[in-house]
Amino acid sequence: DAGVTQSPTHLIKTRGQHVTLRCSPISGHKSVSWYQQVLGQGPQFIFQYYEKEERGRGNFPDRFSARQFPNYSSELNVNALLLGDSALYLCASSLGVGLTDTQYFGPGTRLTVL
Amino acid sequence: GQQLNQSPQSMFIQEGEDVSMNCTSSSIFNTWLWYKQDPGEGPVLLIALYKAGELTSNGRLTAQFGITRKDSFLNISASIPSDVGIYFCAPRQGGSEKLVFGKGTKLTVNP
Repeated sequence: DAGVTQSPTHLIKTRGQHVTLRCSPISGHKSVSWYQQVLGQGPQFIFQYYEKEERGRGNFPDRFSARQFPNYSSELNVNALLLGDSALYLCASSLGVGLTDTQYFGPGTRLTVL
Repeated sequence: GQQLNQSPQSMFIQEGEDVSMNCTSSSIFNTWLWYKQDPGEGPVLLIALYKAGELTSNGRLTAQFGITRKDSFLNISASIPSDVGIYFCAPRQGGSEKLVFGKGTKLTVNP
């Protein structure tokens, strides 16, 4: 079975632009979470979606938004990009949202904002 | 916010040596996960712990969920070159949807 897939793998944008990142969960998984990982740090939680509903949101500005589609894939959108948005964006999928529903990560999308 | 302290920050060891790293917090967690991340890749799950006091092994890896639910350790025995990478603890609180990641322990293994 395929793992979590993300696209694109790399992306270069300029300040002020917007970006859309995509994630396909492991087959059968209904929850998708998004994390931002700045160089040298651990991942930071941005959003969690389950059954197309937002279940949680981290401490990120409203420029960050996401959605989950009926096939459980997800998009992360970031508007008005800042230099500080440069990071590895990770998507994780899990069967559900219970404490024992382990999150499995994709390879990430490397976003560079110039 | 939740304070999570992961140590050591980095380790340089010889192949064949044992490794120990840990995470401590002032907050109580219900789940402790350990992930390994290679450069340019996403974190890969190593061990999941769900009960306080639980000791779990996965090959040469052993991890324990602290009895106070505020800490966890990961041991690697007989290290090999492919153990190189960054190891993260990632606990989770009940009622919370997010994993809280430590800053990572960077492991270098000299052949």
